[in-house]
Amino acid sequence: DAKTTQPPSMDCAEGRAANLPCNHSTISGNEYVYWYRQIHSQGPQYIIHGLKNNETNEMASLIITEDRKSSTLILPHATLRDTAVYYCIVRVRNTDKLIFGTGTRLQVFP
Amino acid sequence: DAMVIQNPRYQVTQFGKPVTLSCSQTLNHNVMYWYQQKSSQAPKLLFHYYDKDFNNEADTPDNFQSRRPNTSFCFLDIRSPGLGDAAMYLCATSSVVPPYEQYFGPGTRLTVT
Repeated sequence: DAKTTQPPSMDCAEGRAANLPCNHSTISGNEYVYWYRQIHSQGPQYIIHGLKNNETNEMASLIITEDRKSSTLILPHATLRDTAVYYCIVRVRNTDKLIFGTGTRLQVFP
Repeated sequence: DAMVIQNPRYQVTQFGKPVTLSCSQTLNHNVMYWYQQKSSQAPKLLFHYYDKDFNNEADTPDNFQSRRPNTSFCFLDIRSPGLGDAAMYLCATSSVVPPYEQYFGPGTRLTVT
């Protein structure tokens, strides 16, 4: 079973920041949080991961709460090409497996 | 660039006719995965290999088999495709050192007629 919960859909105006929340209340101390996105009919694309500290790369920022039970993916200046399904995933403990939840469908509008 | 390659991108097969989907990687990752993704659903893990060790998901039908002849290649065999097996099939790889992120191929869209 997926270990994360996300809102099913969100809208964002082009040029504005998109803040995508994720709850992972059962996460354990050494489990990473991963974010992927999937544009229609393509394979999932890795965005970012985090453990305890906030992270930033050229695509996005990841804010993880101090208790690690939730996180937020931030796309600082959303574009129309950011329209996709965004998945927040926690690796299944002591395995090599990622189990996808239902994700958030982000629609960026002009 | 290092990558995960899937061939073909689109595959059409007939009901009951065996079909094989291919995946290769240039990342030299130990772990390779196969996912099935049906329309408007999240990817669902079918099985994965850790090197040559095969790990099947409990709810993966026997109709689905896999082979990994070497580190670079992995195959998905569907022995008798049914109409319900029409889906996107995704291959992914990951390393065995943190942070273990997975890299996905573009997928093969399977149509069963």
